[in-house]
Amino acid sequence: EDKVVQSPLSLVVHEGDTVTLNCSYEVTNFRSLLWYKQEKKAPTFLFMLTSSGIEKKSGRLSSILDKKELFSILNITATQTGDSAVYLCAVGRSGGGADGLTFGKGTHLIIQP
Amino acid sequence: SQTIHQWPATLVQPVGSPLSLECTVEGTSNPNLYWYRQAAGRGLQLLFYSVGIGQISSEVPQNLSASRPQDRQFILSSKKLLLSDSGFYLCAWNPGGYEQYFGPGTRLTVT
Repeated sequence: EDKVVQSPLSLVVHEGDTVTLNCSYEVTNFRSLLWYKQEKKAPTFLFMLTSSGIEKKSGRLSSILDKKELFSILNITATQTGDSAVYLCAVGRSGGGADGLTFGKGTHLIIQP
Repeated sequence: SQTIHQWPATLVQPVGSPLSLECTVEGTSNPNLYWYRQAAGRGLQLLFYSVGIGQISSEVPQNLSASRPQDRQFILSSKKLLLSDSGFYLCAWNPGGYEQYFGPGTRLTVT
């Protein structure tokens, strides 16, 4: 059975801090790892990683995948209160993309002013 | 640009009543479509996915069913709701790659 484990489950930091969120996985026929941000409603897409060692970056957020050790990290630098959300990690199996994603339980991040 | 719609946004239904949730996608054709459920304290769970009209794959055995009567329409149904069906139901689509984009969701409370 496919498995995605995120840590920590919750995290409280102060504005301006840097945070690192972790995601480890066990998936048959791994093809992709995705990060989403969920603020009360639908998850919004952040990154998709398919190749090991290549960093994806968008503003203050960045992510990298290690396919040998089966994990990914999501970094957020200079955090702002608007970064408060649940961050979800998901993995996709091979199968042409039609298969659904397997999600972790998420990391609940709270940024205090 | 592509847009995904879900309705209703919220729903309160008694145990044993039927359910019909609808999802439609605009601005694309032949998308892969997915139904997920997010229950309190649990991660997103894939329920069904569809690669075309009339083609439904079920991931989890339950009292729910899905149908795809048109290319861009995906429906989640139940004949008799259980308390355990409460949750946040999300429809998602992808154009054939690996990224999935979610609709606004339906929050279902079964009483």
